[in-house]
Amino acid sequence: DGGITQSPKYLFRKEGQNVTLSCEQNLNHDAMYWYRQDPGQGLRLIYYSQIVNDFQKGDIAEGYSVSREKKESFPLTVTSAQKNPTAFYLCASRKSGDISNQPQHFGDGTRLSIL
Amino acid sequence: AQKITQTQPGMFVQEKEAVTLDCTYDTSDPSYGLFWYKQPSSGEMIFLIYQGSYDQQNATEGRYSLNFQKARKSANLVISASQLGDSAMYFCAMREGGISSGSARQLTFGSGTQLTVLP
Repeated sequence: DGGITQSPKYLFRKEGQNVTLSCEQNLNHDAMYWYRQDPGQGLRLIYYSQIVNDFQKGDIAEGYSVSREKKESFPLTVTSAQKNPTAFYLCASRKSGDISNQPQHFGDGTRLSIL
Repeated sequence: AQKITQTQPGMFVQEKEAVTLDCTYDTSDPSYGLFWYKQPSSGEMIFLIYQGSYDQQNATEGRYSLNFQKARKSANLVISASQLGDSAMYFCAMREGGISSGSARQLTFGSGTQLTVLP
């Protein structure tokens, strides 16, 4: 079945360490997104990419980096510059084009905690 | 100013009854879309229903319907015949920009409403 796979499900980071969250989709979607969710709150956009080799900052990009070398993959690196990385991270993708009713489809998320 | 406001942090409903989850939005763009997602405790986001700003009819999807009042900028989700499995966090989200706007089509989410269905 087509879908979005995020790994790992749980991730622990030591102080000063970079960690990378994986997001893979086999939906043939052009656009991909990374969101951060803090407890009891909504989702905030970190980065998004509309096509391969192109990405833009979202509302809270500081301390994060991404790459989009393949259509299927959009990994997120949480760098040591992100001082409060403990959160739930969700990856999403969307069919391209200007059909406005196309929803974003989400993965199951990665929970990142500081050791 | 908040673009999406969900004023009910928590709601309770009796099984088999209907419940309305409130959502108001703020935009000056004439072309926009409104989405509702369900997030169970396991964390995944499940798309429920969509309403476009130019849609003449209120959207419906099975037990979900959207009470769209454009002049009041509200897009409330109505769940009919609530089931125990409906207990979850519900998020309203908006995408601004039409075909000519060149927008990136990202979603702006509200803070969510935690719905609990009581047996």
